[in-house]
Amino acid sequence: ETGVTQTPRHLVMGMTNKKSLKCEQHLGHNAMYWYKQSAKKPLELMFVYNFKEQTENNSVPSRFSPECPNSSHLFLHLHTLQPEDSALYLCASSRDGLAGGYEQFFGPGTRLTVL
Amino acid sequence: GQNIDQPTEMTATEGAIVQINCTYQTSGFNGLFWYQQHAGEAPTFLSYNVLDGLEEKGRFSSFLSRSKGYSYLLLKELQMKDSASYLCAVASAAGNKLTFGGGTRVLVKP
Repeated sequence: ETGVTQTPRHLVMGMTNKKSLKCEQHLGHNAMYWYKQSAKKPLELMFVYNFKEQTENNSVPSRFSPECPNSSHLFLHLHTLQPEDSALYLCASSRDGLAGGYEQFFGPGTRLTVL
Repeated sequence: GQNIDQPTEMTATEGAIVQINCTYQTSGFNGLFWYQQHAGEAPTFLSYNVLDGLEEKGRFSSFLSRSKGYSYLLLKELQMKDSASYLCAVASAAGNKLTFGGGTRVLVKP
């Protein structure tokens, strides 16, 4: 595997379900990110982790719970979501999350539908 | 806060040139990125500008004026495969936190 991988690629869940999204980066990076991309809205940063520590929570509702066990893996735990949470969830990584100028490499995303 | 504006859609002919403008108003600035995103795919990095001026990379060039809060992405010798969305993103003064514009969808016609 190379680059940034995400599983599952598609997920349909009910509002009472609990599910998790997984992201793995094979680039030796130290920073990982979760983004939400909704139709007709800008790509929106959710969380940033740098060396496994969360450095940014962009006012995300608590029904989204991130976890970063090591610099290569990032999870997004989902619980009691709303239909408006349906979107493409993108994971990204970069060499550093605190210093500027490092490009972010994106995974293919998980297309989430909440019924 | 951050406010980033770019046109929603542009159409151009194969072989032509297209310029995508991006204006921004930010509380801090640590560089501006351009990404390309084909439909259904992940965004991919195109360019990064942190100093004023033009950066050229093959058929793609990116320009930045910090005093004007303005950048553009220039696509030359357009090819059909250049049909995609082009995302302008500004890095905040604190590290690598990116705020994205809504994206400009470019349609290249034969």
